Amino acid sequence: SQQGEEDPQALSIQEGENATMNCSYKTSINNLQWYRQNSGRGLVHLILIRSNEREKHSGRLRVTLDTSKKSSSLLITASRAADTASYFCATEYTSGSRLTFGEGTQLTVNP
Amino acid sequence: EAGVAQSPRYKIIEKRQSVAFWCNPISGHATLYWYQQILGQGPKLLIQFQNNGVVDDSQLPKDRFSAERLKGVDSTLKIQPAKLEDSAVYLCASSLVGEKLFFGSGTQLSVL
Repeated sequence: SQQGEEDPQALSIQEGENATMNCSYKTSINNLQWYRQNSGRGLVHLILIRSNEREKHSGRLRVTLDTSKKSSSLLITASRAADTASYFCATEYTSGSRLTFGEGTQLTVNP
Repeated sequence: EAGVAQSPRYKIIEKRQSVAFWCNPISGHATLYWYQQILGQGPKLLIQFQNNGVVDDSQLPKDRFSAERLKGVDSTLKIQPAKLEDSAVYLCASSLVGEKLFFGSGTQLSVL
């Protein structure tokens, strides 16, 4: 399977702390994307990072990509209770245009 | 900008019955996707269309699932006959080619 893997599966932190989630993948990619899903809702796109990029920021989100290690990380700074959700990485492999999702990290931010 | 519309929001059927889901993508988005998301798992791609042609249906159980995209816009996904293991959320998404996906709210299917 070419499915990416997120780590950890679950993360529980206090409001104000930073949250870091990692994603590893198997083969060469065109891009890697991070999505968020609140319980019972559809997924919402957070950040897209292309294979020739190393870091991208969006508000309190920072995504890094290390193509030599085939891994990416999502950092949420100064977390809030409203950040509680599942976070998924998705990879578009160079071998095809299919976007493959991992199993996700369940983040709980306690007030 | 209107988002991706899906209906119905919930559906309960008995096994061996048939069911159909409908999706209206964002206007101008050439690529349309159907994903299946089983509880506690990540979304799994069932089928991907570009305009009204199929790009990838390698993970679609073709003995029971079918999908079409009408005139390169709306799409329907059908299951016939349904099995217990088809209980899941069916997500439709659309995008410009090679860009981020916009998801609908999904259809939650329960097969009893």
